[in-house]
Amino acid sequence: RKEVEQDPGPFNVPEGATVAFNCTYSNSASQSFFWYRQDCRKEPKLLMSVYSSGNEDGRFTAQLNRASQYISLLIRDSKLSDSATYLCVVNMRGQAGTALIFGKGTTLSVSS
Amino acid sequence: EPEVTQTPSHQVTQMGQEVILRCVPISNHLYFYWYRQILGQKVEFLVSFYNNEISEKSEIFDDQFSVERPDGSNFTLKIRSTKLEDSAMYFCASTELGWNTEAFFGQGTRLTVV
Repeated sequence: RKEVEQDPGPFNVPEGATVAFNCTYSNSASQSFFWYRQDCRKEPKLLMSVYSSGNEDGRFTAQLNRASQYISLLIRDSKLSDSATYLCVVNMRGQAGTALIFGKGTTLSVSS
Repeated sequence: EPEVTQTPSHQVTQMGQEVILRCVPISNHLYFYWYRQILGQKVEFLVSFYNNEISEKSEIFDDQFSVERPDGSNFTLKIRSTKLEDSAMYFCASTELGWNTEAFFGQGTRLTVV
């Protein structure tokens, strides 16, 4: 049973493209949701939290569908610097001190 | 910008030896974590720590592992008798108290067991 599942990719897109990543989680009681970004052999860095109403941060839009247990990330106008692995992350109890459950990540490669 | 710092960046050790990985969490954070990532695999939770005790631990965090906050700034992970399969990147993370679970990660320690 995979707790957080993502399409591993890779997604190879040209600069300026719009790309969407999907993620599903198995535990319906999960409370907090995040997208992290990880560059090769580096630490995960928080990209954005995901709220029930959906949220946007510049070129990035995250959506959450609790009924379907589905999270998405949309990147508009892709830049070369967006090339990385995008990690879908879930916290089941939604409180500090509890485990973050990571997906294996989706790799994005943006080319000129 | 405050950050989580980890030392060393890379540690090579012989199988069966003890290692201690060190972390300095963000100063106003109160929850501390260790995660690991085996090469090519996902990031996995090991343990969380609050108020000088373990809050939660995973199945990976067996008797070979221990954590400690020896002073007001450092947070350590000890592996008593390393195995080849302990080779991984170990990340320390910290969060503020409360419902904010956004975790900030250190740059990691790459542990290689030979």
